[in-house]
Parts: sequence; structure tokens; C-alpha cells
Amino acid sequence: EAGVAQSPRYKIIEKRQSVAFWCNPISGHATLYWYQQILGQGPKLLIQFQNNGVVDDSQLPKDRFSAERLKGVDSTLKIQPAKLEDSAVYLCASSQHVWGDNTYEQYFGPGTRLTVT
Amino acid sequence: QKEVEQNSGPLSVPEGAIASLNCTYSDRGSQSFFWYRQYSGKSPELIMFIYSNGDKEDGRFTAQLNKASQYVSLLIRDSQPSDSATYLCAVITNSGYALNFGKGTSLLVTP
Repeated sequence: EAGVAQSPRYKIIEKRQSVAFWCNPISGHATLYWYQQILGQGPKLLIQFQNNGVVDDSQLPKDRFSAERLKGVDSTLKIQPAKLEDSAVYLCASSQHVWGDNTYEQYFGPGTRLTVT
Repeated sequence: QKEVEQNSGPLSVPEGAIASLNCTYSDRGSQSFFWYRQYSGKSPELIMFIYSNGDKEDGRFTAQLNKASQYVSLLIRDSQPSDSATYLCAVITNSGYALNFGKGTSLLVTP
């Protein structure tokens, strides 16, 4: 079974530029998450989708970050304009979880390391 | 803010010993608990999950959950140098199904 795919793996941009990240979850996984991991910290949720609907985006800085999962499979996360403090690893994860079941395990992709200069 | 706390370490154990990693959480409504292993420069890898009080064993790994004390631990038996990594504790609360992570404990297994 293929894992979660992400691209690009690395990105270096200047502040105020824009950047986009792509994620393809494990086949059949209804729920997709984007996390931000700053060096030395645990991942922090940015946004959670179930199929193509947003479940939780309370920690997404909506003035600069946006995300979509239009067909309920692939997802993109965009930052525009980027700030220095956005330098982090952006992790995509997926799970089989849907409302009413007890499957909560999440599996992570390799991540995208973003450096903002 | 619902907290997940871990000692950042580093925790150093000799090869062959038992490594004990601990995690406490603040939200009594937490229901599901996970341990992820993260090698430097890599993404988190799920190694154990536990949903009920007690112990759960998988190979050299044992997860222990005590909901009354709001405490979850991971034991690694016969530790190997390849176990050297950061171990992240993560919790799902009643309020949603995203993972709330601790900062991780760095484990070093010395030959």
C-alpha cells in the first residue's frame, strides 16, 4: 500500500513570496490533515478535511494560509505572502477515520521543508 | 489550551536496556493515545496506539495508559542504537480528531 505522498520535499523562498504544497493521501483515507512542525516542537494542526469538507481550521492563519481538497482526494496548502516565521516542515497526514467509527490512526507523509529567507 | 507534556531529554540508555518514555496530558476527555517515532530529518512514524486503560504490547514496544492519572508511557525493551530518535506522544481529545502532540523526548541508545 502506497503511503502519503507530498511534494515538493524542499522549498526555499524569500519573504512575501507565495508557495504551494501538494499532498496525496493513502488510497481510501477519508480524512486529511495538514500540520506545521517547527524545529524542536511537535507538529501542530493547521487544517483537517473529511472528504472535501473542512472539519477544523481554527489554527490556520487565514490571512495568509489557504487549503483546499476539491475532489476529496488530493489537497494543496498555500501560503501567500510568506513570513520568516513560516519556516518549518509542513506535514500531511491521512486516516481512515469518518464520523462514528473508531479508527483514529494517522499516517504521515515525508513532509515539505520550507525555508523563508 | 489542552497540554501534552513530555520530558525533552535526552534520555540515554545502554544497548539492551529498557527505555521508559513518559507523557502526561491535561484533558480528562482524551480518548486515544499515540506514540510516534521521528528520526532526525524524517517525518513521524506511528509505532503504537492505545485506547483503553492498561498495557498494550507489540514486539519490543509496550504502551501503558492510566486515564485516572492522565498518564501514558512507552517502554522499549532490548533497546538498540537504531531506536535512537525523538519519540512524540500524541493525544486525541473529545473536541476533535486531530492529534495534539507533545514536544517529544529525545532517546539515545549507546552501544
